[in-house]
Amino acid sequence: EVQLVESGRGLVQPGGSQRLSCAVSGFPFSSYCMHWVRQAPGQGLEWVSRIYKDGTRTNYADSVKGRFSISRDNAKNTLYLQMAGLRAEDTAVYYCVRDEDCNYFFDNWGQGILVTVSS
Amino acid sequence: YELTQTPSVSVSPGETARITCSGDDLPKQFAYWYQQRPGQAPVLVIYKDTMRPSGIPERFSGSSSGTIVTLTISGVQAEDEADYYCQSADRSETYGVFGGGTKLTVL
Repeated sequence: EVQLVESGRGLVQPGGSQRLSCAVSGFPFSSYCMHWVRQAPGQGLEWVSRIYKDGTRTNYADSVKGRFSISRDNAKNTLYLQMAGLRAEDTAVYYCVRDEDCNYFFDNWGQGILVTVSS
Repeated sequence: YELTQTPSVSVSPGETARITCSGDDLPKQFAYWYQQRPGQAPVLVIYKDTMRPSGIPERFSGSSSGTIVTLTISGVQAEDEADYYCQSADRSETYGVFGGGTKLTVL
């Protein structure tokens, strides 16, 4: 069974940093591109970032470019999202998502983790 | 790049619901549809414009025509009440993009 489990601190101060982790199991992690997608409270889904299978290529939404960094450790079956310069508008549920063919085909989602940016 | 969805659709049980999504790059990129119930993660219901994942009921179908893709739910059931999002990528595959979502209400 495919499982994606996000973890991280729930509350961060404005301007602060936070690293989210996503532990995966049930599939060969190194064979799949991975993404982060977020959803602000009461709002729609927003794509955040993509990383290729071997971690050599990454893409970011304009809203997070220069502040967020996606990475992965294929030996640990774990995906990361390092977030810096956090703003109130970054408050959202962050989902770890598997991409079936590296072409934005989101076939499996984690349960999500709420990150709140507030003082 | 944006995908545009109608904010809400209402149907009675047993009727057919059609949810549309428009975007300039849809003729060049596949579209995907997700169902999201309150408090839950999204679930893929249609991939590559018209394909249905295993475990998704046959009443869910997808179609594509030019810059518009459509999710059709035939014989809507109460359990289908949810938010539905279309999703694709820009033509250079640099960005993922979601539509704003459509709230399906079953009367």
